[in-house]
Amino acid sequence: QQQVKQSPQSLIVQKGGISIINCAYENTAFDYFPWYQQFPGKGPALLIAIRPDVSEKKEGRFTISFNKSAKQFSLHIMDSQPGDSATYFCAASHSGGYQKVTFGTGTKLQVIP
Amino acid sequence: DTEVTQTPKHLVMGMTNKKSLKCEQHMGHRAMYWYKQKAKKPPELMFVYSYEKLSINESVPSRFSPECPNSSLLNLHLHALQPEDSALYLCASLNIGGGHTEAFFGQGTRLTVV
Repeated sequence: QQQVKQSPQSLIVQKGGISIINCAYENTAFDYFPWYQQFPGKGPALLIAIRPDVSEKKEGRFTISFNKSAKQFSLHIMDSQPGDSATYFCAASHSGGYQKVTFGTGTKLQVIP
Repeated sequence: DTEVTQTPKHLVMGMTNKKSLKCEQHMGHRAMYWYKQKAKKPPELMFVYSYEKLSINESVPSRFSPECPNSSLLNLHLHALQPEDSALYLCASLNIGGGHTEAFFGQGTRLTVV
C-alpha cells in the first residue's frame, strides 16, 4: 500500500514536444504529491508539488494533473528542452505517521534536438 | 537559504575503514533523513531523525550508524562496509509544516567501497 507506481521507465521526446509521466498510488492517506528532478551525480530537486484538493497545478512549463478518484497523477512538461533531460521521480507523503516520502521508480527523460 | 550541504562529495574507503558522512542545513527544519540511492533506482530511506531523535530505522545494518548532534547537523558513521554498500548517499531536510512533507535534498556523497 506504500507503493507509488510510475511509468514509463524511459521517455524520448523531441525538443518542443510534450513530455508526460504518470504515477499511481494505493494509500489514500497520502496527502502531498511532489515531483523531483534529478541530474546525474546530483541529489533530487523538488520541481513542483500538489495536494489532493486541487486537480491541476501549473508552474511555468511544468503542470501536475491530479485525479483523486483514480488515485493517479501526472507530470506534463510543455515545450520540452534538452536541458530538461534528467530522471524524474514522483513521490507521495502524508502528514501523519512516519513523515515518510515514498518515491516512484523514476523516469529517465531524454529530450533530443 | 534552501541549501542542504553534504560532505564529502566523493569517498573511497576500504572494507576495514571507518569514515563519516556529514550533512548540514540552516532552514530550521526539525526532520532530517538519510537515503541511499543505487544507480537507476529511487532513493531508499535509511533513517529519519525528528527533533534530533531517531524515529525511523528502516532495518539498516549496524555498520551504518547515524548521529544527530543538533537540529542543523546529521552524520552517518560508516564501519566495515561491503562493496555492495557503494551508492550515492543523500541527506534530506524536511519541512513538515502546513500539513505536508516537503524534502530538500543535498547533492549527495558518492561512496565507493573497495
